[in-house]
Amino acid sequence: GENVEQHPSTLSVQEGDSAVIKCTYSDSASNYFPWYKQELGKRPQLIIDIRSNVGEKKDQRIAVTLNKTAKHFSLHITETQPEDSAVYFCAASEGNAGGGADGLTFGKGTHLIIQP
Amino acid sequence: ETGVTQSPTHLIKTRGQQVTLRCSSQSGHNTVSWYQQALGQGPQFIFQYYREEENGRGNFPPRFSGLQFPNYSSELNVNALELDDSALYLCASSSSGRVTGELFFGEGSRLTVL
Repeated sequence: GENVEQHPSTLSVQEGDSAVIKCTYSDSASNYFPWYKQELGKRPQLIIDIRSNVGEKKDQRIAVTLNKTAKHFSLHITETQPEDSAVYFCAASEGNAGGGADGLTFGKGTHLIIQP
Repeated sequence: ETGVTQSPTHLIKTRGQQVTLRCSSQSGHNTVSWYQQALGQGPQFIFQYYREEENGRGNFPPRFSGLQFPNYSSELNVNALELDDSALYLCASSSSGRVTGELFFGEGSRLTVL
C-alpha cells in the first residue's frame, strides 16, 4: 500500500517569512495529492491539491509542486500570517472518489508555528 | 449547502463494549468515507461507502464495520472496543461526479476507551 512521509514535524517561522513542507510517497500509481489544514480542535480542510499531470499549482500565497519522478511534493506558503498557524497534512491517493478507492493516505502532519 | 455533521461529538466507553457513530453527508454528496485520527497523527482510512456498499477498505480489522443509507448518511460500528481505539473518528463526504476527489470532513467524534 501507499506510504507517505512528511517533514518537518514542527516548523517555526517569523511572520512574513516563507514556509515549506515536504512529502514523499511510495506508490507510483498515486495521482492525486491534496493538502489539508487542521486547526486545533477543528476539522481538516482542503487548502490546495494537485494532480499528477501538473507540476505546479498556485493559489494566492499557497503553492504546491510535484515531482513524479522523485515521488515527492511540497507545500509553499509565502508571506506567512498568524492565521496560518495550524497542523498541515499532505496526502496521496489514486483519486477515484466514489468509484472504488483506497482512500487518502495521510502524512503525520507538520505543526506550523508563525512567530509574531 | 449543509456541511458534514457527526454525532456524538464525544463519548466514553469501556473495553469490550460496542459503539456506533453517525454521519450525515454534505448535501449533494453520495460517497462517505471514515477515518481514524489518533492524537498527534494523520487520519487513517478505515473504509468508504458508495451506493450503500463498501467499495474500499484500509488496514482495519472486521470489528470495524459500517453502513450507508439511501439518503447517503452513514454509520461506523466498532465491536469489542480496545484501548487503542481511542481516537477522533472523522467522516468525510464527496461526490463521485467530481474530478478533484475533494473530501469534506465533519468535526469528528472523539472516542475514549477506558
